[in-house]
Amino acid sequence: DTGVSQDPRHKITKRGQNVTFRCDPISEHNRLYWYRQTLGQGPEFLTYFQNEAQLEKSRLLSDRFSAERPKGSFSTLEIQRTEQGDSAMYLCATAGALDTQYFGPGTRLTVL
Amino acid sequence: AQSVAQPEDQVNVAEGNPLTVKCTYSVSGNPYLFWYVQYPNRGLQFLLKYITGDNLVKGSYGFEAEFNKSQTSFHLKKPSALVSDSALYFCAVRDINGQAGTALIFGKGTTLSVSS
Repeated sequence: DTGVSQDPRHKITKRGQNVTFRCDPISEHNRLYWYRQTLGQGPEFLTYFQNEAQLEKSRLLSDRFSAERPKGSFSTLEIQRTEQGDSAMYLCATAGALDTQYFGPGTRLTVL
Repeated sequence: AQSVAQPEDQVNVAEGNPLTVKCTYSVSGNPYLFWYVQYPNRGLQFLLKYITGDNLVKGSYGFEAEFNKSQTSFHLKKPSALVSDSALYFCAVRDINGQAGTALIFGKGTTLSVSS
């Protein structure tokens, strides 16, 4: 257990529905990252927060995706109008001063 | 563009034998290099990192990695493999000439299988 928690661990939804995932970081970590991992691939970067500010967004983050980190603590990732291609493991990672990213267990999304 | 290559999809070793999982990278500046391990249906666990200093880095569970700047490699090694080391291993790089906090670029992963 790295100290990063994610909820839910699994989500099954129908195409077109909206889903929201939550990440709770290690308390002293001010940097938070979202990644997406599909079968047979390494994680791919989606977005990055430093405290409450969203500083980087990948081209993978289409306009159906939105992320927030209010008050610089937990973060949410929302996918609107889900598509089957959104099926993946969504990973959250957090980092502190030493710049090592610690990953949560992930949320596995299945879009039917 | 930054990239990481893990040339072997799978590495098979017998328990007690040494193991090597290969990684090469490409960055425009100087790299931060990382190894992570992933067990089925789990997140990634940090093993070790190279930032600066000694080219041989020691990490968790008896793993080590050697940074070779001329060959742009960062191979993961362990002197004596355990069956419990069987998992998926990822190499990752960050270009430290970018702003602090830039995301990691991951390789596709190498499955390590240790037989008893």
